[in-house]
Amino acid sequence: SQTIHQWPATLVQPVGSPLSLECTVEGTSNPNLYWYRQAAGRGLQLLFYSVGIGQISSEVPQNLSASRPQDRQFILSSKKLLLSDSGFYLCAWSRIQGFGYGYTFGSGTRLTVV
Amino acid sequence: QKEVEQDPGPLSVPEGAIVSLNCTYSNSAFQYFMWYRQYSRKGPELLMYTYSSGNKEDGRFTAQVDKSSKYISLFIRDSQPSDSATYLCAMSDLSGGSYIPTFGRGTSLIVHP
Repeated sequence: SQTIHQWPATLVQPVGSPLSLECTVEGTSNPNLYWYRQAAGRGLQLLFYSVGIGQISSEVPQNLSASRPQDRQFILSSKKLLLSDSGFYLCAWSRIQGFGYGYTFGSGTRLTVV
Repeated sequence: QKEVEQDPGPLSVPEGAIVSLNCTYSNSAFQYFMWYRQYSRKGPELLMYTYSSGNKEDGRFTAQVDKSSKYISLFIRDSQPSDSATYLCAMSDLSGGSYIPTFGRGTSLIVHP
């Protein structure tokens, strides 16, 4: 069976510090991978998605970046965090071919920038 | 106008009630419709998905799609306190072959004993 791991679960970081959130998927190959942010009272905002190693599409221009160094690994980074980067960050995966499986989300990282 | 509209609630009902959760949308190209359930401080989990119009039933849950009205619903029968969560609708088309869905903001449901 497929599983998705996301860590850390919570993170408190000062403004201006760097960020690295990691997500890995097990039990499947060549997944679509996604990073979402969910702010309080707001919907899911797609930040980045990737259909393969080294292939990153950005949906929202900001001080965040994403990388996919391996087939089942997706990393969200920032060089300097802003207060507005606080939120609940979710990684998700879906199958490349066909639909009907929806997304499988990780358990999320709650980031607080202070 | 947002592509997907969903009342954030909260919707508070007594245990055993029938719950109706709804979303409206504006993009007539949407073909795939999903409902996710999200417990507090957890990631969303897929509850149901449907393709095009019609109904789909899974246990106490029924998903309904009316493409002519651009309206989808999720019905929960015999609601339980464990159903208390935020329910997000999502929908997608075949844009670029990626099926990336557009999510609603979610409706917070509280089922009290």
